[in-house]
Amino acid sequence: DSGVTQTPKHLITATGQRVTLRCSPRSGDLSVYWYQQSLDQGLQFLIQYYNGEERAKGNILERFSAQQFPDLHSELNLSSLELGDSALYFCASSVGSRGSYEQYFGPGTRLTVT
Amino acid sequence: TQLLEQSPQFLSIQEGENLTVYCNSSSVFSSLQWYRQEPGEGPVLLVTVVTGGEVKKLKRLTFQFGDARKDSSLHITAAQPGDTGLYLCAGSSFWKLTFGTGTQLKVEL
Repeated sequence: DSGVTQTPKHLITATGQRVTLRCSPRSGDLSVYWYQQSLDQGLQFLIQYYNGEERAKGNILERFSAQQFPDLHSELNLSSLELGDSALYFCASSVGSRGSYEQYFGPGTRLTVT
Repeated sequence: TQLLEQSPQFLSIQEGENLTVYCNSSSVFSSLQWYRQEPGEGPVLLVTVVTGGEVKKLKRLTFQFGDARKDSSLHITAAQPGDTGLYLCAGSSFWKLTFGTGTQLKVEL
């Protein structure tokens, strides 16, 4: 158990809908990272928050957004969902803000868009 | 764009065999991490290597960071079915962690 929790475990929704994925980092970690993993794209970095502020952006679509709350949990919002958004979404956390800090991953949310 | 290529992409071996997985890039990284991921679960951190030429051992797994900090290898001795999984290397540079393409390992009895 990495100490990172994610909910829900599975999510099935229809195209055009909006969903929210939730992540709680390990105790003491200030950074939260979101990743998308699909069969053809591998593990892709989406966005990072550090202590409530956006720190870095990766391959995140404009339809996606995230935030980190004062209690350090984070939410990833996916809107206008398309079939291609079906994937595993992982949250990771680290103590610091730089990638050199070891990242610990949650169990993921499997999103299926039908 | 930083890319990390892993080879081989797939590897199916018998229990007891040795194997090596390679992680190569043209970019220099401040550190490199190896993860193992099982189906439907998140990647689990195995090791972090920081210094060029560094070698770390974790039971039957040996990790090496290249002298120029551009590449790394993972060697497994006497593989066991429990070693089955997706092995991912990830290079760290400032704020960013770039993941490799992955090596899917299957160890059969």
